[in-house]
Amino acid sequence: NAGVTQTPKFQVLKTGQSMTLQCAQDMNHEYMSWYRQDPGMGLRLIHYSVGAGITDQGEVPNGYNVSRSTTEDFPLRLLSAAPSQTSVYFCASSYQLHTGELFFGEGSRLTVL
Amino acid sequence: EDQVTQSPEALRLQEGESSSLNCSYTVSGLRGLFWYRQDPGKGPEFLFTLYSAGEEKEKERLKATLTKKESFLHITAPKPEDSATYLCAVQGPSGSRLTFGEGTQLTVNP
Repeated sequence: NAGVTQTPKFQVLKTGQSMTLQCAQDMNHEYMSWYRQDPGMGLRLIHYSVGAGITDQGEVPNGYNVSRSTTEDFPLRLLSAAPSQTSVYFCASSYQLHTGELFFGEGSRLTVL
Repeated sequence: EDQVTQSPEALRLQEGESSSLNCSYTVSGLRGLFWYRQDPGKGPEFLFTLYSAGEEKEKERLKATLTKKESFLHITAPKPEDSATYLCAVQGPSGSRLTFGEGTQLTVNP
């Protein structure tokens, strides 16, 4: 049982480049979300989805784009990377929106130069 | 705006030395309070959900309690394998997001 799988684990980008962080879950969870974790800031919600075709913004959505074409996958796109987007990104899922019992991936560490 | 403050930022204990971690919160209508454990280089792992003041949950050496303004994570006779960062989060009425604290980094020395 793989749970929540994120790729890549590490990535270095130059300012202005674009990239996609991949997230897949095999638990048939309806709710998926992306958080970023920064020192002194805690985990902050970027975007979330309550099912295929449905996405919404979280606390810090600017500079990021998401889509949800299948139940399993929830990619996060950085449109034009900036140094302020250097962070560790976590994908998390749960069986429904209102439960706080989230299953997290192992994270993707992104550095923007 | 929901707010979560955890203290202390870091805590060092000797093996067997019991202590408590604090999570103070401000939320307009608490839907739930959650504790997670995070090991270095890993994603957070769910530990407990608390829904109302007076509620308690236990798991091995950990016990979580909840009041109207704060939650405590009590660690009884900790072992080195309990070393991790412990995160507290609250969920408000909309249920659409969790607001996390910055965490308490616990180190248990043998």
